[in-house]
Amino acid sequence: RKEVEQDPGPFNVPEGATVAFNCTYSNSASQSFFWYRQDCRKEPKLLMSVYSSGNEDGRFTAQLNRASQYISLLIRDSKLSDSATYLCVVNSGNTGKLIFGQGTTLQVKP
Amino acid sequence: ETGVTQSPTHLIKTRGQQVTLRCSSQSGHNTVSWYQQALGQGPQFIFQYYREEENGRGNFPPRFSGLQFPNYSSELNVNALELDDSALYLCASSLVASGRTPEQFFGPGTRLTVL
Repeated sequence: RKEVEQDPGPFNVPEGATVAFNCTYSNSASQSFFWYRQDCRKEPKLLMSVYSSGNEDGRFTAQLNRASQYISLLIRDSKLSDSATYLCVVNSGNTGKLIFGQGTTLQVKP
Repeated sequence: ETGVTQSPTHLIKTRGQQVTLRCSSQSGHNTVSWYQQALGQGPQFIFQYYREEENGRGNFPPRFSGLQFPNYSSELNVNALELDDSALYLCASSLVASGRTPEQFFGPGTRLTVL
């Protein structure tokens, strides 16, 4: 079983749609959680950190459920520029080792 | 831009050869992590260097080795290249301080093709 699992998609949605990505992780001792965005043939960039209380940044909302070891990302009012791969990332200790999921591809259509 | 640079951007090698990839960390950062990203997969942690010492290693064989220099730049060396080593190699720099999990800033990567 992979340490971080995501549905690879692709998710094809029209502009303005709301889309949700889910992710599960296997190590209950994991400490920090993130969503990264990766554009085609580019490096990953931090989209947002994920906290147990949930956090929101504009159209993006991230949630963490430690009991279920589940992380989510909600994108409201999708834009064409949101088209990218979204990577669920877990930091399981203090070494800074980031564990990435496979990534979920989002394609927003006009 | 993150301020993390990598060289070269692209590289083609043949099986059995050796390769060295380079990374310059963001100014003020003391830690460099290396990741391998195969096509269609998420990045996989290779190892991390903190103050010139290896500080954690992923599930990669010993032919993957690294160095960190006093200026915190880093090298990744891969010996006896195999076809499956073809991937995007990413380095990420961060500032490790006590009690915090630092954000890692990624460089643009080196795309290695092994023929």
